[in-house]
Amino acid sequence: DTEVTQTPKHLVMGMTNKKSLKCEQHMGHRAMYWYKQKAKKPPELMFVYSYEKLSINESVPSRFSPECPNSSLLNLHLHALQPEDSALYLCASSQVGRERGKNIQYFGAGTRLSVL
Amino acid sequence: KQEVTQIPAALSVPEGENLVLNCSFTDSAIYNLQWFRQDPGKGLTSLLLIQSSQREQTSGRLNASLDKSSGRSTLYIAASQPGDSATYLCAVRYISTDSWGKLQFGAGTQVVVTP
Repeated sequence: DTEVTQTPKHLVMGMTNKKSLKCEQHMGHRAMYWYKQKAKKPPELMFVYSYEKLSINESVPSRFSPECPNSSLLNLHLHALQPEDSALYLCASSQVGRERGKNIQYFGAGTRLSVL
Repeated sequence: KQEVTQIPAALSVPEGENLVLNCSFTDSAIYNLQWFRQDPGKGLTSLLLIQSSQREQTSGRLNASLDKSSGRSTLYIAASQPGDSATYLCAVRYISTDSWGKLQFGAGTQVVVTP
């Protein structure tokens, strides 16, 4: 099973709302990632968690707040977003190990977010 | 700055023709290179991963080559089908900027296979 599950598939929110995106994997991966992808652009890395600790924050605004409650789950809490934050948000996971060349990143189907 | 470039940005071929997709990168010090497929509005599907020590990888009709010295990878798709229509992205894991698997993506090649 190489599945990464993201919920919800679509989300529409106002600029004053608080919402959360969820990501789950059961492959035993200890690294999980959030990416943001605008239309016709490549994914951009936002956050990386390794062993449930935040390892990378790519200078993401504080209105995005990640959380990794356990090794299988990754959340992205959203608050006071702007219309320009509308995008496809992708979650990915991978193994963590010495043989870094072998670590495939597996992606979920994404959450399509629209901020009104 | 370490970059990944994919040319062409778009490609249209008749069904049955072989597809050749190109990816170039600026630094040969890499852990691996990964090819993905993305359908419109969907997530990324991993197609092939080539480790730094490998020259090519094959999966079914797909074959990917890697030439680190020239900073190039090529994805070949044999006997293309309309179902191969999608955007194909390559992503490089550079050694120097590697922190927990950070990937540098190319902008992708949008492929249309016409019946």
